[in-house]
Amino acid sequence: QVQLVESGGGVVQPGRSLRLSCAASGFTFSSYGMHWVRQAPGKGLEWVAVIWYDGSNKYYADSVKGRFTISRDNSKNTLYLQMNSLRAEDTAVYYCARDSDYYDPRGAFDIWGQGTMVTVSS
Amino acid sequence: VIWMTQSPSLLSASTGDRVTISCRMSQGISSYLAWYQQKPGKAPELLIYAASTLQSGVPSRFSGSGSGTDFTLTISCLQSEDFATYYCQQYYSFPRTFGQGTKVEIK
Repeated sequence: QVQLVESGGGVVQPGRSLRLSCAASGFTFSSYGMHWVRQAPGKGLEWVAVIWYDGSNKYYADSVKGRFTISRDNSKNTLYLQMNSLRAEDTAVYYCARDSDYYDPRGAFDIWGQGTMVTVSS
Repeated sequence: VIWMTQSPSLLSASTGDRVTISCRMSQGISSYLAWYQQKPGKAPELLIYAASTLQSGVPSRFSGSGSGTDFTLTISCLQSEDFATYYCQQYYSFPRTFGQGTKVEIK
């Protein structure tokens, strides 16, 4: 079935780096834009980043611009989020989500992973 | 950035009630609006897209309306499984933005 599975979360000290992965299955991964969304403990949803189906375009939230990098490997059906210079305020559950539109990400988020927790603490 | 004001933040209701949640945009977004349901410890799930189109598998007691800047999610007859938090989201432009969320709790 259609599925997204995140991994790579954990506890990391401020200023350090972490890379999250999102493994896709059950659909043609290379045909869809993909997003990262995060949720701090007890808070609402915050969009983080998007990448086009072929990796040609990327956008970021201002809160992570210059520190986070979204990428994908369509040969491995995997989405990534490289997080550098981590801060306490980056502590959150990170979800990957599929854009519902083919190719360009102009749609709603129709498939979500289960999330992976990132805790930034000394 | 398109700002979203979702209200109320907390809604106390009983099974069988009709409930409405509002979402107002800081600028017009045509019908590029989605609604999500999130239960504790779970990922959000898409309920409605294009302001009023029900995602496959979503019960017909859910409905959405509106266009431009004002949108509404209605649950016509609240069921026990509907107690959750609901978010609106615009996908008209980047950055994508979400409303603050509405928790629907048992009265």
